[in-house]
Amino acid sequence: NAGVTQTPKFQVLKTGQSMTLQCAQDMNHEYMSWYRQDPGMGLRLIHYSVGAGITDQGEVPNGYNVSRSTTEDFPLRLLSAAPSQTSVYFCASTATGQIANGAYEQYFGPGTRLTVT
Amino acid sequence: AQKITQTQPGMFVQEKEAVTLDCTYDTSDPSYGLFWYKQPSSGEMIFLIYQGSYDQQNATEGRYSLNFQKARKSANLVISASQLGDSAMYFCAMREFPSGNTPLVFGKGTRLSVIA
Repeated sequence: NAGVTQTPKFQVLKTGQSMTLQCAQDMNHEYMSWYRQDPGMGLRLIHYSVGAGITDQGEVPNGYNVSRSTTEDFPLRLLSAAPSQTSVYFCASTATGQIANGAYEQYFGPGTRLTVT
Repeated sequence: AQKITQTQPGMFVQEKEAVTLDCTYDTSDPSYGLFWYKQPSSGEMIFLIYQGSYDQQNATEGRYSLNFQKARKSANLVISASQLGDSAMYFCAMREFPSGNTPLVFGKGTRLSVIA
């Protein structure tokens, strides 16, 4: 199992450019989510999905779009990048139902460091 | 309202000593789970320990234990016998279970520095 994979690892964009951050998991997890991490702010939820075809907004959804056409993939789209979107982005997935110890552990990808100039 | 509060932005501990990282939470749901994650300087998020709201005993995982005080709504992480490799950011998080899964909500984190 590769777990949760994210590409790219690093990205520099100019203001106004668009791009898609890719996220995939091979654990057959129903639940996937995107977070951004900024210094002193912890991890803030952008969007999440409880299964293919279902997405919902988190705490900081503005400027981002998501879709979930398959269980495995959950891409995050920046339609018009702004300097305020400079951050580290984490994708995560969780098995629904009972897993080991009922922990509902959330598995994280390695992160994408995005800089918008 | 903030659901997870970590009041210690930074902590120092001597190697081989124990340290407690504070976490308080806010929820009206009787069913919830509390998580601690470690983020070393390399950036990855590492799951440490979990406590369910109905668990009768405090969770333990090796040198990590969770001091769960339900009435006080606190879920402090205790690291025993600190090691230099424990230097990292530590995040407390909570998930509520009203029906199925809900998003994992994080605190702002505590930076732990272990001193030789």
